Amino acid sequence: DQQVKQNSPSLSVQEGRISILNCDYTNSMFDYFLWYKKYPAEGPTFLISISSIKDKNEDGRFTVFLNKSAKHLSLHIVPSQPGDSAVYFCAATMADRGSTLGRLYFGRGTQLTVWP
Amino acid sequence: KAGVTQTPRYLIKTRGQQVTLSCSPISGHRSVSWYQQTPGQGLQFLFEYFSETQRNKGNFPGRFSGRQFSNSRSEMNVSTLELGDSALYLCASSPQTSGVFTSTDTQYFGPGTRLTVL
Repeated sequence: DQQVKQNSPSLSVQEGRISILNCDYTNSMFDYFLWYKKYPAEGPTFLISISSIKDKNEDGRFTVFLNKSAKHLSLHIVPSQPGDSAVYFCAATMADRGSTLGRLYFGRGTQLTVWP
Repeated sequence: KAGVTQTPRYLIKTRGQQVTLSCSPISGHRSVSWYQQTPGQGLQFLFEYFSETQRNKGNFPGRFSGRQFSNSRSEMNVSTLELGDSALYLCASSPQTSGVFTSTDTQYFGPGTRLTVL
């Protein structure tokens, strides 16, 4: 049962434009969301996260938006650069595990390609 | 600070064999989680260890097991390997949180161990 879904397996964007990656979740208990970037033969690298008490978090070129009522989040990359080409994973968790992040539920990823 | 390290990086085994993978977390991190990544299923959670105790377990058969040592290093073991166990096995470590997650709370991933079962 996929509780976190990334329905677009791929996205192609021109350099300098905005990339928007989408993610939907089904479990209303999720209260913390993360985005990771992954290159081939490497482990995922943390990009940005958002708590359910917020609807937006920004870090440089990366902004994550959370719409709790729609159970939807999105990652905006502005401006996109060729080095951003990678697989992007959305992940979610819930704070009932006490003092650790515990289990992350991942989407299946979106391959972003930024072309010059 | 050194990152999460995993050994070996690549492994080839045959069906029926068993395998042990190792993970050294970032210094000071007491939580270690393991994930399996396959093309069809994405990243699937295996288990989490915290202070040598398994805190959470994913939906994998009993052939998959793990443990954590007092220095927080962790191992996972897969017995009676099947072809479908071919995957990238990722380990992630994280520090203890305050219980309320903030924007700096994340799991830090190692490079993974690529297991091929023939």
